[in-house]
Amino acid sequence: QQQVKQSPQSLIVQKGGISIINCAYENTAFDYFPWYQQFPGKGPALLIAIRPDVSEKKEGRFTISFNKSAKQFSLHIMDSQPGDSATYFCAASSRGQNFVFGPGTRLSVLP
Amino acid sequence: EPEVTQTPSHQVTQMGQEVILRCVPISNHLYFYWYRQILGQKVEFLVSFYNNEISEKSEIFDDQFSVERPDGSNFTLKIRSTKLEDSAMYFCASSEAPGRGEQFFGPGTRLTVL
Repeated sequence: QQQVKQSPQSLIVQKGGISIINCAYENTAFDYFPWYQQFPGKGPALLIAIRPDVSEKKEGRFTISFNKSAKQFSLHIMDSQPGDSATYFCAASSRGQNFVFGPGTRLSVLP
Repeated sequence: EPEVTQTPSHQVTQMGQEVILRCVPISNHLYFYWYRQILGQKVEFLVSFYNNEISEKSEIFDDQFSVERPDGSNFTLKIRSTKLEDSAMYFCASSEAPGRGEQFFGPGTRLTVL
């Protein structure tokens, strides 16, 4: 029940396209859902996060969509750029305590 | 911009040796965490620490592991007798308060056990 599932495992998108990564969880106690971006050899960096009281949050080109009843949330990257090429992890936590991470999605944006 | 720092960036050790990984969390943060990431795999929670004691730990964090905040700035992870399977990236993170959610990660220490 502590698992967070993430798909796809890898994603290739053309420059300017939309990248969509999906996550699903089981634990209804989760109340915080961040997305982290990780470049090779670096630590995860917080990209955007959402709480279950809203269904969507947008920051620049990044949007989280949240479906509480389906226990799913997704990251949309609009106008994807080669600089967005990285591994993206969704995560979930309860009361901001330890994060449970998804397995990651390796995104490649082709120029 | 304040950031979490970690030293060393890479540690190579022989199996059975003790290692200490060091972290300096963001100065006004009160909650500290260690995570690990085996090469190519997901980030896994090890332990959280608040008010000089462990708040929560995972099943990975067995008796071989310990954490300490020896002074006002450092937060350390000790592995007493390293095993080959301890080879991983170890990330320290800190947050202002757990209810706020945001955890800020350091750049990691790559531990290689030979």
